[in-house]
Parts: sequence; structure tokens; C-alpha cells
Amino acid sequence: SQTIHQWPATLVQPVGSPLSLECTVEGTSNPNLYWYRQAAGRGLQLLFYSVGIGQISSEVPQNLSASRPQDRQFILSSKKLLLSDSGFYLCAWIGNLTGTHTDTQYFGPGTRLTVL
Amino acid sequence: DAKTTQPPSMDCAEGRAANLPCNHSTISGNEYVYWYRQIHSQGPQYIIHGLKNNETNEMASLIITEDRKSSTLILPHATLRDTAVYYCIVGFNAGKSTFGDGTTLTVKP
Repeated sequence: SQTIHQWPATLVQPVGSPLSLECTVEGTSNPNLYWYRQAAGRGLQLLFYSVGIGQISSEVPQNLSASRPQDRQFILSSKKLLLSDSGFYLCAWIGNLTGTHTDTQYFGPGTRLTVL
Repeated sequence: DAKTTQPPSMDCAEGRAANLPCNHSTISGNEYVYWYRQIHSQGPQYIIHGLKNNETNEMASLIITEDRKSSTLILPHATLRDTAVYYCIVGFNAGKSTFGDGTTLTVKP
């Protein structure tokens, strides 16, 4: 079965420090992968998506970057964190697990980042 | 992708049906309606989706109006564990979905 992992689950980092969040998917190949950020009490903001190795599309200009070094690995990074980078980061992939011909998005457990 | 409008919050008594509305007046003909929910500090969980016809699964029912401009998610017998934020999303343009603020459903004993 397909599963999606994210780590770490929580992270506290000082302003100006680097960041690396990892997302991996098991049980599928060549998935479309997505990074979202969620501010407290708000909806999800799409940050990046990738349709294949080395292919990254950015949805909003920001202090973050993404990379896809392997088919089932998606990494979110920053060279210098800002206070505004705090939030709940979610990785997702597109799958067809509902027995229909339509795609559905499935989310990982998330990483809660606090920048102090 | 079409945008959606949901009430910010709703209450429901435990054991009663919870009916969560969603307006999506700009939906196009080939866009699906998806519902997700997010329990605090977890990733969103897929609930159900539909195109034109009403749908039902083990979690919920989805009623889509004939003009497809609105829909209702029905949790037939709400429990305390159904307390969550519910998101209505229309269309998946390569997965670039817009998740608004959703509806916070509070199930009360």
C-alpha cells in the first residue's frame, strides 16, 4: 500500500538557521508531489509541486526552496529561516486509491516548524 | 480551479446528522468536488468526492445540486471524533488545490 512520510514531526529553529524537511512516498512510482504550508487557524497554501525528478514549480515567491533528488523524495529547504516561516508544513501526493478514474490528493502527517 | 465558500464554524449534537454546506458557483463542467477534514495537528484526510451524482461511502454522503453550484457533506451520525476542520475543494489542476479556511465543526455531547 502507498504511504507518505514526513520528518521531523516537530522542529524549533532560530532565525537565520538553515532548514531541511523531508518527505518520502512508498508504494508508488513517479508521483506528483506537493509542499503546503498552513498558518495557525488558516487553510493550506501551496508552496511547491513536482511532477518528476529535478522538476520543481514554485507557486509563491518566498524564502524557501524545494528539490526532488529521487523519484519518491521531496525536500523543502531554506538557507536562512525567518520568523514568518513558522507554520505547519504538509507534503502531499496525487494518487488514485478510491477505485475510480479520478485522482485524489493524500497528505502526510506534517512537520510543525517554530522559528524563534 | 474554482473557489469555494464555506461557513467558518458549525455545531452539531453528538449522534445527530451534521450537514456542511459549500458553495462553488464558478465550478466548471469537468471539475470534481472534494471534501477533506483536518483534525488538529494532523494532515488533511480525504473523505469523499463527486462530479454530478450524489455519493456515499463509509464516512459520509455528498449531495451535489443539479446545477453543481453547491454541495453538502453529510455525516449521518456525528461523534465527538468528527470534530475537525472540513474543507470543500473543487477541481484538481495537477493537484494545485486551493484550500480555504474551511468549516470548523464542533460536535457537542
